[in-house]
Amino acid sequence: SQQGEEDPQALSIQEGENATMNCSYKTSINNLQWYRQNSGRGLVHLILIRSNEREKHSGRLRVTLDTSKKSSSLLITASRAADTASYFCATQGANNLFFGTGTRLTVIP
Amino acid sequence: NAGVTQTPKFQVLKTGQSMTLQCAQDMNHEYMSWYRQDPGMGLRLIHYSVGAGITDQGEVPNGYNVSRSTTEDFPLRLLSAAPSQTSVYFCASRGGSVYYEQYFGPGTRLTVT
Repeated sequence: SQQGEEDPQALSIQEGENATMNCSYKTSINNLQWYRQNSGRGLVHLILIRSNEREKHSGRLRVTLDTSKKSSSLLITASRAADTASYFCATQGANNLFFGTGTRLTVIP
Repeated sequence: NAGVTQTPKFQVLKTGQSMTLQCAQDMNHEYMSWYRQDPGMGLRLIHYSVGAGITDQGEVPNGYNVSRSTTEDFPLRLLSAAPSQTSVYFCASRGGSVYYEQYFGPGTRLTVT
């Protein structure tokens, strides 16, 4: 399988704290993407980082990529209750996107 | 733009029945795909298409057929439903480059009894 794996599987933090999620993968990639899924809904794209990039920012999101270790991390700063969701990393191959198993983030108000 | 739409939202089938899950996009995207999401398994790719008339298998294609007669539509057919196909199904689309994000539909929750 080309699926990545997120760590931790579940994370619970207080509002205002930072949340860090990690993703490991096995194959070479064109890019790595992070998606959010609210309960019972479809996935929403958050950020894409190319294989030749090491870090990318978007608002309160910071993504890093280490292709030598085949790993990525997603940092959400100053978390809000509305950030409660599942977060998935996805690795882009030649044609297709392969998803990890997700991290369930709960932000407690 | 409506984005990616899927019908139905919910469906219950008996073992052995067949049905088609509909997916349409109005963004003129070349690439479309179908995923299934099971608890603890993440999303797994069933079939994908890089353009009208072109389809290919993903990770878990058995029991499913697809066709792509137009750019807009990408239906997924269950030939003979089995309880193992109970899942949530998502359709997605993106532009021609792998550096474009994918847009997901709201999903179809399918139960096979």
